[in-house]
Amino acid sequence: DVKVTQSSRYLVKRTGEKVFLECVQDMDHENMFWYRQDPGLGLRLIYFSYDVKMKEKGDIPEGYSVSREKKERFSLILESASTNQTSMYLCASTDTDSLSYEQYFGPGTRLTVT
Amino acid sequence: GESVGLHLPTLSVQEGDNSIINCAYSNSASDYFIWYKQESGKGPQFIIDIRSNMDKRQGQRVTVLLNKTVKHLSLQIAATQPGDSAVYFCAENEGSWGKFQFGAGTQVVVTP
Repeated sequence: DVKVTQSSRYLVKRTGEKVFLECVQDMDHENMFWYRQDPGLGLRLIYFSYDVKMKEKGDIPEGYSVSREKKERFSLILESASTNQTSMYLCASTDTDSLSYEQYFGPGTRLTVT
Repeated sequence: GESVGLHLPTLSVQEGDNSIINCAYSNSASDYFIWYKQESGKGPQFIIDIRSNMDKRQGQRVTVLLNKTVKHLSLQIAATQPGDSAVYFCAENEGSWGKFQFGAGTQVVVTP
């Protein structure tokens, strides 16, 4: 069974802290994504990666960075957390060779920055 | 201060009735569409997809209709059940594994 896991379900951090969100997929997918989800706004793409050590900016990359050192792991980094980064963060992966472009999502990390 | 998000549109459906959830998309070049279901506390889950060379596609209890002329997508759920209570949203892209644009979603509430 396909699985995407995220390191924490809930996280509370203080303004200015450096925050790491980890995502691991066990499907050998090439492509991984980080989104944030806010009420009424839908999912917005922060960054994505199509290969190890490769990354592309999404629609809202400001204030975030990413790291992909291994194929199965994609990390989202908040260099200096701010209150407007309080959100639900979702990781997803997809297989380049699949006939379907379905993205498999993790359960999400609800981050609160105080 | 605290930001106030937009409220999701809500569709209230009686158990056993059919549900129709609508989605308008904006990109004329969009070639591929997915419907996702997101239950409370969980990540989105794939329901069904459709490519732009089709008008209709059926799955188990679900049908997706695509009207490219007016850039409209709908998801029909037959005989709605309590387990169908969730947020449903559509996603569109230009036919590749890459970037999708996601709709804000519709909250479906199934009443007994």
